[in-house]
Amino acid sequence: ETGVTQSPTHLIKTRGQQVTLRCSSQSGHNTVSWYQQALGQGPQFIFQYYREEENGRGNFPPRFSGLQFPNYSSELNVNALELDDSALYLCASSLRPEEQYFGPGTRLTVT
Amino acid sequence: RKEVEQDPGPFNVPEGATVAFNCTYSNSASQSFFWYRQDCRKEPKLLMSVYSSGNEDGRFTAQLNRASQYISLLIRDSKLSDSATYLCVADTGRRALTFGSGTRLQVQP
Repeated sequence: ETGVTQSPTHLIKTRGQQVTLRCSSQSGHNTVSWYQQALGQGPQFIFQYYREEENGRGNFPPRFSGLQFPNYSSELNVNALELDDSALYLCASSLRPEEQYFGPGTRLTVT
Repeated sequence: RKEVEQDPGPFNVPEGATVAFNCTYSNSASQSFFWYRQDCRKEPKLLMSVYSSGNEDGRFTAQLNRASQYISLLIRDSKLSDSATYLCVADTGRRALTFGSGTRLQVQP
C-alpha cells in the first residue's frame, strides 16, 4: 500500500456541524494535498500544504481550512457542513509532482 | 466547461478486447499528464504518466497530443482485473492535479 493513512474511515454529521479529518503522509513526503470526490465524479482539488504552509487552493469556500504539522501530517476542517459536502475526502502525499500517493479516504455523510 | 473531459462510459468489453479511452484538457498551461485507476470505493492509484513521445507499460499505451490537447489510453488484451474507473489527470506544475470525471470499464468473461 501507499503508506498514507486517513482517519476516520467513515463519518456521519448533521448539517451545520463542524468536522476534522486527518491524514498521515508517507514517510519523507513534505507535501499533502486534499481532494473532494463526490459520487460519480473525479476528485476535485481543495488545497495543498507544503512544509506547514498553504501552497495552493482550489475553488472551495473559506469554511474549508487545513493545517500541516511539523511531521507533515495534516488536517482538513470543514465548518458549517452542508448536504453537498457529503463526499469521499482524499489526501495525497508527495515528494515529487509526478508521484502523488493517495490515502484510502474518509467517507463523509452529511444529513 | 470542465478542464479535463472524458467519456463517462461505461465501456463493456469482452476479455481479450482492445479498448481505447480519450480525454481532452482545456488548460494549455498543463505540463504533466497521467492516467489513474480507481477501483470501486477505493482511492485512485497512478497507472502511468503520459509523454508526448508516447509510452507503453505492458498492455497499456498512453499518448499525448499537445497541439490538440488530447490524451489517450489504449488497453490491449483486456483482463477481468482491468475493470475499474480510469481517470485522466492534468497537472499545471503546482502539484494540484485536475481530474476528469473518469471512464468506467467493465471487462466481461
